[in-house]
Amino acid sequence: DTEVTQTPKHLVMGMTNKKSLKCEQHMGHRAMYWYKQKAKKPPELMFVYSYEKLSINESVPSRFSPECPNSSLLNLHLHALQPEDSALYLCASSLSLGQGGTDTQYFGPGTRLTVL
Amino acid sequence: SQQGEEDPQALSIQEGENATMNCSYKTSINNLQWYRQNSGRGLVHLILIRSNEREKHSGRLRVTLDTSKKSSSLLITASRAADTASYFCALYNQGGKLIFGQGTELSVKP
Repeated sequence: DTEVTQTPKHLVMGMTNKKSLKCEQHMGHRAMYWYKQKAKKPPELMFVYSYEKLSINESVPSRFSPECPNSSLLNLHLHALQPEDSALYLCASSLSLGQGGTDTQYFGPGTRLTVL
Repeated sequence: SQQGEEDPQALSIQEGENATMNCSYKTSINNLQWYRQNSGRGLVHLILIRSNEREKHSGRLRVTLDTSKKSSSLLITASRAADTASYFCALYNQGGKLIFGQGTELSVKP
């Protein structure tokens, strides 16, 4: 199974809502990532988990809260978002953290988030 | 910055033609990767070329790497409409982060 799944595919939320994005992989990967991608731009790294511990936080606002309940699951909790947070949110996983710079990252299909 | 810079930003060709995309970077690398993204979808890893390799093939894809010029190219031969997508080069920086180039938007017309 070389698949990373993400739910939901689409999400529309108001600025006062609380919602969560979910990501799952069963490839035995120990590194998992959240990226944010705006239209016609490359993905931008938000968070990295390695062995279920937060390894990198790219100075993301606290209204985004990641969680890694176990080695297969990654959540992104959303609260009090702004319209400019509307984007495609991508989850990815790799065998390990890319310190050696050789690990391929496998991406999920993304969640298209719209904040009204 | 270690980020790859790609050109062209957009490329439109007819089915059956070849498509070439280029990526330039500024620092030393261990390897360079290419990813494809269909519209509004996740990225798919295409190929990884190591710094000691000059050329690598995968099906209709050919990737070259010139470390002296700090550049790489992705060639798609005999393109198909299904190749329509955005293509990104990507490099790991020293902090272990995968940094993507700005991408080339390829349109293959039937």
